[in-house]
Amino acid sequence: SQELEQSPQSLIVQEGKNLTINCTSSKTLYGLYWYKQKYGEGLIFLMMLQKGGEEKSHEKITAKLDEKKQQSSLHITASQPSHAGIYLCGASNDRLTFGEGTQLTVNP
Amino acid sequence: DGGITQSPKYLFRKEGQNVTLSCEQNLNHDAMYWYRQDPGQGLRLIYYSQIVNDFQKGDIAEGYSVSREKKESFPLTVTSAQKNPTAFYLCASSIGWSSYEQYFGPGTRLTVT
Repeated sequence: SQELEQSPQSLIVQEGKNLTINCTSSKTLYGLYWYKQKYGEGLIFLMMLQKGGEEKSHEKITAKLDEKKQQSSLHITASQPSHAGIYLCGASNDRLTFGEGTQLTVNP
Repeated sequence: DGGITQSPKYLFRKEGQNVTLSCEQNLNHDAMYWYRQDPGQGLRLIYYSQIVNDFQKGDIAEGYSVSREKKESFPLTVTSAQKNPTAFYLCASSIGWSSYEQYFGPGTRLTVT
């Protein structure tokens, strides 16, 4: 089965700083999803990447999928307290499997 | 507004009791899913349904049961056979199976004592 490894497991940054979260797969990624979760709530879809080298942006969040389609990164520019939460990557091959998540704290 | 609802938000049960978690969607999605989330862990798939009247076991189905009698509804029963039922349960749906964005409900936190 597909295994996804996220790093770091947790991240604490000062407001205004940039940050990157990585998601590495043991197999080729045919569909890579990024979700955000507030503690104790459901997941909110951020972006989906399918093609090698693909990059998508939404507001201050940019996600990339590498050419080999085994690694994705999520980059937040000029972080704000509203960015705090758990970020999960998910991969869809035969079914959607998730990484363990990255807990992001943004200090004002 | 379309979406997925889960109820209740918090649920408390005594050990040995079965409990049913509700999941309803009005997105006209064919596929529905149940996940379990434990602290510090990602989501693990319990059961999924690709279409009405059909469902399949996920990675951790033991101690759980589901039904899919209506397209909109996919209730999950946590039975007394589930050894560690205390967890956060998330329901999701998608237009089709596998390669489609999944929409998630707000979750139900189940505590069994």
